[in-house]
Amino acid sequence: DAMVIQNPRYQVTQFGKPVTLSCSQTLNHNVMYWYQQKSSQAPKLLFHYYDKDFNNEADTPDNFQSRRPNTSFCFLDIRSPGLGDAAMYLCATGGRGGRTPGANVLTFGAGSRLTVL
Amino acid sequence: AQSVTQLDSQVPVFEEAPVELRCNYSSSVSVYLFWYVQYPNQGLQLLLKYLSGSTLVESINGFEAEFNKSQTSFHLRKPSVHISDTAEYFCAVSDPSYGKLTFGQGTILTVHP
Repeated sequence: DAMVIQNPRYQVTQFGKPVTLSCSQTLNHNVMYWYQQKSSQAPKLLFHYYDKDFNNEADTPDNFQSRRPNTSFCFLDIRSPGLGDAAMYLCATGGRGGRTPGANVLTFGAGSRLTVL
Repeated sequence: AQSVTQLDSQVPVFEEAPVELRCNYSSSVSVYLFWYVQYPNQGLQLLLKYLSGSTLVESINGFEAEFNKSQTSFHLRKPSVHISDTAEYFCAVSDPSYGKLTFGQGTILTVHP
């Protein structure tokens, strides 16, 4: 089945130790999103790719970076994780949808839960 | 800018009772509206969406939501809930031009036997 796969599902790191989370998709969608979801809070968009075009949200900290080497893969790099970065990180994909990309349904992965010690 | 407010953080109900999860939004442009459901330790899944046309939309598992433009609301309802409906429900709005979803804070629905 076409899907969005995130690895690892659970990641434990130490304060300040870099972390990379990965996302792969078999849907051939050209848009990929990274959301941060903290406990009891709404998912918050960090950035998204429109094909290779990177779009950063204005309030996303510099500590968060992303790479998209090809259509199928996208990575989230946290350069120096702090205690406040502990969260579930959700990857999602969506098609361009012609003139109304907002009508597209996003397909989410199961998430990567990050714990910072 | 868009925002979504889910008025109830937790809703406990008994099995076979009706339920309503409330959602209000604000936006300076027309938006698309969605409800997503998240089961424990899983990603979000689409429950239903409103893009245009009939203001009442339905899902395959008995949920429905009605778009009310004058009240800027998109409340989710089900006439009779099951234990398996226990999950967290997120209301979201989408900018038609870019497809970025803005989520509400979520409502945890707990169905008791």
